[in-house]
Amino acid sequence: QVKLLQSGAALVKPGDSVKMSCKASGYTFTDYIIHWVKQSHGKSLEWIGYINPYSGGTNYNEKFKSKATLTVDKSSSTAYMEFSRLTSEDSAIYYCARGYGWFAYWGQGTLVTVSS
Amino acid sequence: DIVMTQSPTSMSISVGDRVTMNCKASQNVGSNVDWYQQKTGQSPKLLIYKASNRYTGVPDRFTGSGSGTDFTFTISNMQAEDLAVYYCMQSNSYPWTFGGGTKLELK
Repeated sequence: QVKLLQSGAALVKPGDSVKMSCKASGYTFTDYIIHWVKQSHGKSLEWIGYINPYSGGTNYNEKFKSKATLTVDKSSSTAYMEFSRLTSEDSAIYYCARGYGWFAYWGQGTLVTVSS
Repeated sequence: DIVMTQSPTSMSISVGDRVTMNCKASQNVGSNVDWYQQKTGQSPKLLIYKASNRYTGVPDRFTGSGSGTDFTFTISNMQAEDLAVYYCMQSNSYPWTFGGGTKLELK
């Protein structure tokens, strides 16, 4: 069965970077693009961007273009998102999700807390 | 960016109720709207894709309709396990955007 397993919670300091992972299993990794979505505490969802594991091509929400970097490692079927220059506004749960037009599969989320 | 405005923001409901919520897009998104259910502490779960298509395994009490700018999501016979926040999302043009959510609470 399809699974997206995300890395564990992270506590980081303001100004630091964090890199989180999303390991895919149960399907051919390069057949589906991987999206990333942000959910701040108690709030709605924001689409950050996607990466095509086959080509490495990316598409970012302008809001996150200078903040997020998406990469993949095809050998381990893992997608990564690095978030840089963190502030308290970046404290949130980050989800990876699989799909083209809709998200049928989601990871369990990675909680990032930015605090000094 | 396309703004997705959901209404109401919350609803107090009873088991067995018919529940209807709406999502209005700031511009035409065709049928490219999906509906997700998110229970506390869980990842969102896809219920409806492309406005009216029920995803695999989703009970038929969940239905979606609409096109263009106005979309409706209905639970025909509310069950206790349906208590959650429901989000619409447009995937017609980037950046994909979500509504603010409708929270269902017990009366």
